[in-house]
Amino acid sequence: DQQVKQNSPSLSVQEGRISILNCDYTNSMFDYFLWYKKYPAEGPTFLISISSIKDKNEDGRFTVFLNKSAKHLSLHIVPSQPGDSAVYFCAASPMRGGSEKLVFGKGTKLTVNP
Amino acid sequence: SAVISQKPSRDICQRGTSLTIQCQVDSQVTMMFWYRQQPGQSLTLIATANQGSEATYESGFVIDKFPISRPNLTFSTLTVSNMSPEDSSIYLCSVEDRDLHGYTFGSGTRLTVV
Repeated sequence: DQQVKQNSPSLSVQEGRISILNCDYTNSMFDYFLWYKKYPAEGPTFLISISSIKDKNEDGRFTVFLNKSAKHLSLHIVPSQPGDSAVYFCAASPMRGGSEKLVFGKGTKLTVNP
Repeated sequence: SAVISQKPSRDICQRGTSLTIQCQVDSQVTMMFWYRQQPGQSLTLIATANQGSEATYESGFVIDKFPISRPNLTFSTLTVSNMSPEDSSIYLCSVEDRDLHGYTFGSGTRLTVV
């Protein structure tokens, strides 16, 4: 049973527009959420995180929204750039730090067209 | 943030042989995590490696198949033993990065078993 789901395997967006990547989770114990970006032949790179005490966290062009009641989070990229083309993974953990393992979604491949 | 050097970056191995993957971190960390990403799948935690104690394995992973060493606070190895084509995956190590409030990953080892 997948506890973290990214239902869109791919997304294509025009440069300058908004990219919205979605993630749903089923485990109500998850308390900390992260987004990673992965280029081919590289390891995942941490992008942004949010803890359950917040509903929004912003870092430059990247904003993550968390809706705990719906068990849903989304990553907004505005404006999208061709360099943002990568696979984006959503991950969740019962708490931040320590021995709590991350549970990952399968990823969404974002393509930003010039 | 932490920097992880992982090697080899890729290898093609004969079935029945073993491969040892190394991760070196530029700072001391308590725990190191080993993940596997099978083709088209999410990252799955194999085990958590603590310095000075046995690694803790996740369900479905056993020490005989994936022995782990953690001789000090900056280094760990994962061995994939008696390989079969089903072991063809990307293997990644990771550490918690408190500066990022997230986790940093190595660049990954792409293993192909023939």
